[in-house]
Amino acid sequence: GQNIDQPTEMTATEGAIVQINCTYQTSGFNGLFWYQQHAGEAPTFLSYNVLDGLEEKGRFSSFLSRSKGYSYLLLKELQMKDSASYLCAVTDSNYQLIWGAGTKLIIKP
Amino acid sequence: DAMVIQNPRYQVTQFGKPVTLSCSQTLNHNVMYWYQQKSSQAPKLLFHYYDKDFNNEADTPDNFQSRRPNTSFCFLDIRSPGLGDAAMYLCATSISLAGEGGNEQFFGPGTRLTVL
Repeated sequence: GQNIDQPTEMTATEGAIVQINCTYQTSGFNGLFWYQQHAGEAPTFLSYNVLDGLEEKGRFSSFLSRSKGYSYLLLKELQMKDSASYLCAVTDSNYQLIWGAGTKLIIKP
Repeated sequence: DAMVIQNPRYQVTQFGKPVTLSCSQTLNHNVMYWYQQKSSQAPKLLFHYYDKDFNNEADTPDNFQSRRPNTSFCFLDIRSPGLGDAAMYLCATSISLAGEGGNEQFFGPGTRLTVL
């Protein structure tokens, strides 16, 4: 079967750095997305990786290792507004998106 | 601003009473999706349209139907809502299938359905 694994919840301190991991087992691979979802709101796109390596976008970076079936989202200089769920989603060989259940990130002052 | 709009934002219905949720987009995207999301769970794809081509997920109950009368609008019909259908329903669009060339999905704000 197809599976995405993420930690259920993480806690970090304002101003710090946090890394949210995602591992996947899918039928083929055509890219990996990270989305942010605030409570009661719709997901919003953060990043897309299809090649191995690090993609940096401001305070957020995303890393991919296809051979390991692994990605992480790195958030720097954490702000209170970063408190949200972070969803990892993988596109399989049929371009179907397989979603993880998300990691709830709690930021403390 | 180009966007995805869902109406209503909150919908209350009675057990077994049909309900229709609507989605419209000004992005002129080819693909429209309907997801069901329950608390702390992954979004579950119900179906998607690529233009007029309807694609039903294998495990989507027959109780859920969809219509896409034109490029801009898509509807989700729940014929006989049960208590287990209470959830957030998310509409999303993309230029082509998500992942093709890194095409991201753009989500509407969602409709939270309560079944009494």
